[in-house]
Amino acid sequence: GDSVTQMEGPVTLSEEAFLTINCTYTATGYPSLFWYVQYPGEGLQLLLKATKADDKGSNKGFEATYRKETTSFHLEKGSVQVSDSAVYFCALSDQGTGNQFYFGTGTSLTVIP
Amino acid sequence: DTGVSQDPRHKITKRGQNVTFRCDPISEHNRLYWYRQTLGQGPEFLTYFQNEAQLEKSRLLSDRFSAERPKGSFSTLEIQRTEQGDSAMYLCASSLSQSQETQYFGPGTRLLVL
Repeated sequence: GDSVTQMEGPVTLSEEAFLTINCTYTATGYPSLFWYVQYPGEGLQLLLKATKADDKGSNKGFEATYRKETTSFHLEKGSVQVSDSAVYFCALSDQGTGNQFYFGTGTSLTVIP
Repeated sequence: DTGVSQDPRHKITKRGQNVTFRCDPISEHNRLYWYRQTLGQGPEFLTYFQNEAQLEKSRLLSDRFSAERPKGSFSTLEIQRTEQGDSAMYLCASSLSQSQETQYFGPGTRLLVL
C-alpha cells in the first residue's frame, strides 16, 4: 500500500545553516507530494507541493523536487531562520486511493540563534 | 473565508462516554476528510465525504467510530463508549473535488479520555 517514510528527528540547526529533511514514498499510482508544516500551537499548513515527476515545489525559501526514479521528495532550505522552528510532515495523495493523504511521522526542527 | 473550523478545540471525557466533534469546511469545498493524530505521529486517515456521500470508511478505527455529513456542509465525528486509547487530536480537512487537490486543515479537537 501507499506510505511515506520520513527522516527522523529532532533536528537542531544554527541560524543560517542548510536544511535537508529526507522523504521517500511508496505509491501504487501517480501521487501528488506535499510538505506540510505545523508551527507550535497551530494547525497543519501547506508549505509546498508537486503534482508530477520532476516538478519542483517552492515556498518561503523551501524547495522540494519530485524524483520518481528515487521515489523521493526531500525538503531543502539554504539558510534557516529561528522562525522556521516547527514540525514538518511529508505527505502523498494518490488518486487511486480516493485522494486520502498518507503522512510521514514528522520531523521536528529547532533553529537556534 | 475563515478556513476550516472545528468545535470543540478540547474535550475531556470519562471512559465509556460518547463524544461528538464538529467540522465546518471551507464553504466552496465539497470534500471533507477526518484524520487522527497521536503524539509524535503524522495524521492518520479515517474517512472522507464527497458532498454528503461517505466514499471511504473502511479506515475508521472500529465500529465505535462514525461520521456524518447530512447536508453536504458541516460534518460530525462521533466516538461511542470512549476508551483511553482514543485520546488523540482529531483533525478535519477540506478540499475541492479535483484530483489530488490540496487539503486544508482545521486546528483540530484534542480529546482526552480519563
